[in-house]
Amino acid sequence: EIVMTQSPDSLSVSLGERATIKCKSSQSVLSKSNNKNYIAWYQQKPGQPPRLLIYLALTRESGVPDRFSGSGSGTDFTLTISSLQAEDVAVYYCHQYLDIPPWTFGQGTKVDIK
Amino acid sequence: QVQLVQSGAEMKKPGASVKVSCKTFGYTFGSFRIHWLRQAPGQGLDWMGLIDPSEGRTTYAEKYQGRVTMTRDTSTNTVYLEMTSLRSEDTATYFCARDPPPGAYHLMPPFDYWGQGVLVTFSS
Repeated sequence: EIVMTQSPDSLSVSLGERATIKCKSSQSVLSKSNNKNYIAWYQQKPGQPPRLLIYLALTRESGVPDRFSGSGSGTDFTLTISSLQAEDVAVYYCHQYLDIPPWTFGQGTKVDIK
Repeated sequence: QVQLVQSGAEMKKPGASVKVSCKTFGYTFGSFRIHWLRQAPGQGLDWMGLIDPSEGRTTYAEKYQGRVTMTRDTSTNTVYLEMTSLRSEDTATYFCARDPPPGAYHLMPPFDYWGQGVLVTFSS
């Protein structure tokens, strides 16, 4: 089972500043067949289901603002919010879907306003 | 418009069973798998298993084997999660989520649509 570890557990950022969340997988999630990283990122606000933001490590889902971006390869990945807005306050999860089952998630990173 | 609509909150006694539903709309039911995940209060996401609605085949997480059953009704485009021998540690919000077929991940994202969640709690 691939274990996903996020850092930090929580993050306080001023409005308009950059937020950076790291995710490390216990094994590579790079597919040898197509050279794509099978990592997704989700945003979850209180009382709501998770919302898909990014998949294949760097592809933004339709409708997601371009201030959200994903990067990384192999075992180390980053979600960046380039200019934090009030509506971005949420918990963010990384997720691997290469070595399945099981589908596994990071423990979450809580982002709030400084 | 794709939607996954789950049944309402449940309150159960320890030792009881619960069956929750996830009704799908807006796409071909058999073309996407449905996963069940749960989230204990203040905790992260825990994958429980999946059902392929086209054939009814299921895959369960090892920790839930023997205690969960996932089924589907193709006449109503609905999937069900039944969990038995409930205990207080099973207090959680249970989500269903849509997922593309095997082999499509190079083109399509995982878990692109989610149900709103069902809170299952316990009262002795």
